[in-house]
Amino acid sequence: LAKTTQPISMDSYEGQEVNITCSHNNIATNDYITWYQQFPSQGPRFIIQGYKTKVTNEVASLFIPADRKSSTLSLPRVSLSDTAVYYCLVGVSLANQAGTALIFGKGTTLSVSS
Amino acid sequence: DTGVSQDPRHKITKRGQNVTFRCDPISEHNRLYWYRQTLGQGPEFLTYFQNEAQLEKSRLLSDRFSAERPKGSFSTLEIQRTEQGDSAMYLCASTPGVSTDTQYFGPGTRLTVL
Repeated sequence: LAKTTQPISMDSYEGQEVNITCSHNNIATNDYITWYQQFPSQGPRFIIQGYKTKVTNEVASLFIPADRKSSTLSLPRVSLSDTAVYYCLVGVSLANQAGTALIFGKGTTLSVSS
Repeated sequence: DTGVSQDPRHKITKRGQNVTFRCDPISEHNRLYWYRQTLGQGPEFLTYFQNEAQLEKSRLLSDRFSAERPKGSFSTLEIQRTEQGDSAMYLCASTPGVSTDTQYFGPGTRLTVL
């Protein structure tokens, strides 16, 4: 199983860029790296997914080095509403090649202050 | 709003009672997943359906847990003879009919066992 390691918590101020790094030394060749965001009492919400190099969408960027043993989620100019738990994870293929279970760690609790 | 709905949002029950939760996935999503999340932890995968077929159930926590998806649309998760350790958030997620890590989560059902 591909296990991920990320910081337990991070603090930031409004308007700053936040980078959360995750290590996944045992990532499999066909695994994608996915980041989810979760607010209290809500289900996780998909942020971004990548396989290698750099991926950017309207909310974040994901940087993945060539060896794919780590990845960095970059949140530009955070606001108070970005305070949440952020999970880095890789998929685990289920039996029958028919689906993927997501293995969540404890995530990184990001606290944004004014 | 991800489109996955769960009912009820909150359930309080006494130890030893049976409880059933319902999940309605996004329309036309063939795959449906159940997760459990305890305080301070990331979601833990329980079981998975491809249409009406339950393809993975080995990670259900005990034989008191069972899940169904009789018509390939909504799903139910039942816990029999509840215990205080079953208190948690139960999350449902769905994906389209292709292998993808992008799971869309519902808001969850918060279970409290007294």
